[in-house]
Amino acid sequence: DIVMTQGALPNPVPSGESASITCQSSKSLLHSNGKTYLNWYLQRPGQSPQLLIYWMSTRASGVSDRFSGSGSGTDFTLKISSVEAEDVGVYYCQQFLEYPLTFGSGTKLEIK
Amino acid sequence: EVQLVESGGGLVQPGRSLKLSCAASGFTFSNYYMAWVRQAPKKGLEWVATISTSGSRTYYPDSVKGRFTISRDNAKSSLYLQMNSLKSEDTATYYCARHYYGYNYWGQGVMVTVSS
Repeated sequence: DIVMTQGALPNPVPSGESASITCQSSKSLLHSNGKTYLNWYLQRPGQSPQLLIYWMSTRASGVSDRFSGSGSGTDFTLKISSVEAEDVGVYYCQQFLEYPLTFGSGTKLEIK
Repeated sequence: EVQLVESGGGLVQPGRSLKLSCAASGFTFSNYYMAWVRQAPKKGLEWVATISTSGSRTYYPDSVKGRFTISRDNAKSSLYLQMNSLKSEDTATYYCARHYYGYNYWGQGVMVTVSS
């Protein structure tokens, strides 16, 4: 199984500052079609998860351009520029390359 | 508007069975793979099952393989999860999700508690 390992944030993050969340996979998520099958989700308190980024760097429909994804085959970063109160929650990375599909353990973002 | 509405959760004793349902609307259900994802209390997300558009292919992690069965009825735009031989570690909120390039739509979740 592909293991997804997420880093922690130095919480709380001051409002208006940027925040970067890291995720590492135990196997390259680069597919032969050139796409990297890494997704990012945000779960706000008391809500269902929401897809933010797919294919490592493509923003999902309606997602603010303050969110951006980058990385290589095994090391990934979700950057949130100018964090706002609505960004509070837990962020998860997920590999979508092969079954069993696996998530990282989550990274909590708190705002000061 | 895409909507996914789960139902069927509740309190069940260990070893018993429970069937969850997910009613989909706002999109052509038969065109999409569908999935179940769960979240134990105060824990992270765990993928539980995926089913192909026709239902001919299903996928499970080892933690539920042989105990859980995902199915669908495209005529009713409905997704199901039959859970047998339930264990305490199956206690979680279960989400129905539309599977595409990620899970781009989720239901509100339904709670399943396995306890005597």
